[in-house]
Amino acid sequence: QITLKESGLTLVKPTQTLTLTCTFSGFSLSISGVGVGWIRQPPGKALEWLALIYWDDDKRYSPSLKSRLTITKDTSKNQVVLTMTNMDPVDTATYYCAHYGSRWPNNWFDPWGQGTLVTVSS
Amino acid sequence: QSVLTQPPSASGTPGQRVTISCSGSSSNIGSNTVSWYQQVPGTVPKLLIYGNNQRPSGVPDRFSGSKSGTSASLAISGLQSEDEADYYCAAWHDSLNHNWVFGGGTKLTVL
Repeated sequence: QITLKESGLTLVKPTQTLTLTCTFSGFSLSISGVGVGWIRQPPGKALEWLALIYWDDDKRYSPSLKSRLTITKDTSKNQVVLTMTNMDPVDTATYYCAHYGSRWPNNWFDPWGQGTLVTVSS
Repeated sequence: QSVLTQPPSASGTPGQRVTISCSGSSSNIGSNTVSWYQQVPGTVPKLLIYGNNQRPSGVPDRFSGSKSGTSASLAISGLQSEDEADYYCAAWHDSLNHNWVFGGGTKLTVL
């Protein structure tokens, strides 16, 4: 059974850097085709994909946020870390991490972590 | 504004069949497979369809997906009250960055 859980500060001040950790179990991030992604959802709004890291350490970022995001993995700890710099109140959202699976040509995010609400406020 | 366009809302009565559309381009739906996610209010998004029309185990066969050209659709037959939720389509977008994109979401109301 695959599970993921997000952790990190839930209240950050404007201009600060957000660091979120996704701790997972039930799969290995060293297996071909596997990845972990981050998705966020502002209150009452739509899902927004942020970043994805693959088993081979390839990384993909949202073009609109690329300059502010860094995604890394620690395979031995079963963890993926997302950092987002220069936080702003518009970044207030629930942040989810999710298991990424692929079997060409298909790919999907499943399952998702429970999410963590991050509030940006002074 | 997402590159995948969904209607903001849809509705139906119990037992009806409803469809939700997702319009994209040759850079996303036209060249990659589509997945769909269901988010019941207050809960975590759940994978409903992957590979355009494949259902993960546990998803009722009332849910079906299809794709034609640069558009995709999610159909729900035998609508039930518990189907009231937000539905999102998603796909890879083949640009300079090769990024994943979600549609803007469709809120389904069961009348």
